[in-house]
This record gives sequence, C-alpha cells and structure tokens, in this order.
Amino acid sequence: GAGVSQSPSNKVTEKGKDVELRCDPISGHTALYWYRQSLGQGLEFLIYFQGNSAPDKSGLPSDRFSAERTGGSVSTLTIQRTQQEDSAVYLCASSPHRGGYEQYFGPGTRLTVT
Amino acid sequence: EDQVTQSPEALRLQEGESSSLNCSYTVSGLRGLFWYRQDPGKGPEFLFTLYSAGEEKEKERLKATLTKKESFLHITAPKPEDSATYLCAIPRSGSARQLTFGSGTQLTVLP
Repeated sequence: GAGVSQSPSNKVTEKGKDVELRCDPISGHTALYWYRQSLGQGLEFLIYFQGNSAPDKSGLPSDRFSAERTGGSVSTLTIQRTQQEDSAVYLCASSPHRGGYEQYFGPGTRLTVT
Repeated sequence: EDQVTQSPEALRLQEGESSSLNCSYTVSGLRGLFWYRQDPGKGPEFLFTLYSAGEEKEKERLKATLTKKESFLHITAPKPEDSATYLCAIPRSGSARQLTFGSGTQLTVLP
C-alpha cells in the first residue's frame, strides 16, 4: 500500500517568509508525528497527533512553529517568519498504535532558508 | 535523562566482511527499541522492534539483539546495497509517543 507522503520535497524560501509543509499519513494510521533532522544532527521530535486528542506540542522549538491535522488525516506544519536556523529536513511519520510504537516515515521535505 | 548512544559513528567494510553496530541506551522502563535504516535523501525505514532482553529479530543479512543496556545490529556478509545510516531509537520514559533517536552509524560497504 501507499506509504507516508510529504510535499513539497524541496522548499527554498527567503528569511522572514512563512512556509507550509504537508504530510499525508498511511491510511488508517491514527497517530502522526513531525520530526526535524538538521545536517549532522539526530532526529528531533516536534509534535504528535493522536486521533481527536489534543496534540503533544512539547517539541516545537518556538511559537513560530505550529501544526494542524484535519479530519484525522492530512497534517500541515507551518513555520512563520522563517530563520536560517530553520533550514533542515522535516520528516513526518505515522503509526497505527496509540502507544507510538513502530513509526513509518515519509521521504521528508528539505527546507532551505536563504 | 533518556540517552541513546550509537557506535561507531562510521564504519567501512569490505563486501562479505561481517560486523556489528552498537546502540547503548539509558531509560527508565524500556518500552521497546527500534532500528531504522536511512538512505541519503530519504526518510528512515523501519527495520525491527525489540521489547525484552534476549530477544532477537532477523531480516536478510541483518540480525538485531537486545540486552538490558544495549542492542546490537549484526550484519552478516554485507553487500554494497547495505550501505546506509542505521539509527536506533527508544520511546521516552515520560512519553512513549516521543522517540529518542541515536545519532546513527553510517555504514559503507565497499565492493
């Protein structure tokens, strides 16, 4: 079946602009996660959605970052007033289990802020 | 504080030369240890989940094992297509929904 998809695959933006990154999870998966992977760094948890529960936003680095998930499926990560340090690969993952067990990742969106 | 440490950072092997990658962890109450493979420009690909000490999982040339302090990913007779970064991760002790990842081992298998 289809895996997690993300769009765009690459995004170049100017400092100060807003960007939106999209994630389509695996059909039927109730949990959705966003991570950030900076060059030479490990994966950094950003936010987690589970069904209709309030999202776990504890990993968001600043209030410029926000995310929403509509209809329990597609999610959008928004970064406002982008900074150069926001340049990274943003990865989305989904999981069929409430407890956050195996997570299946999309290909990522490479964001470059100039 | 939860910690995941992978070693070595990089490993170069000749085709057919078996070796092991290490993932040591510190967590209060392990609720699983995950291995992923990541190819350049792609998202991590799930490989294995291990839940208890003594457990082993195998997939082709890969075998993952788990003790109370660490996990090993054994690669038997590797091929160039096994070249990738291998990541391990554990659910955080405060929130199993968040995974703590190690920094990975970059494996290169030379023909």
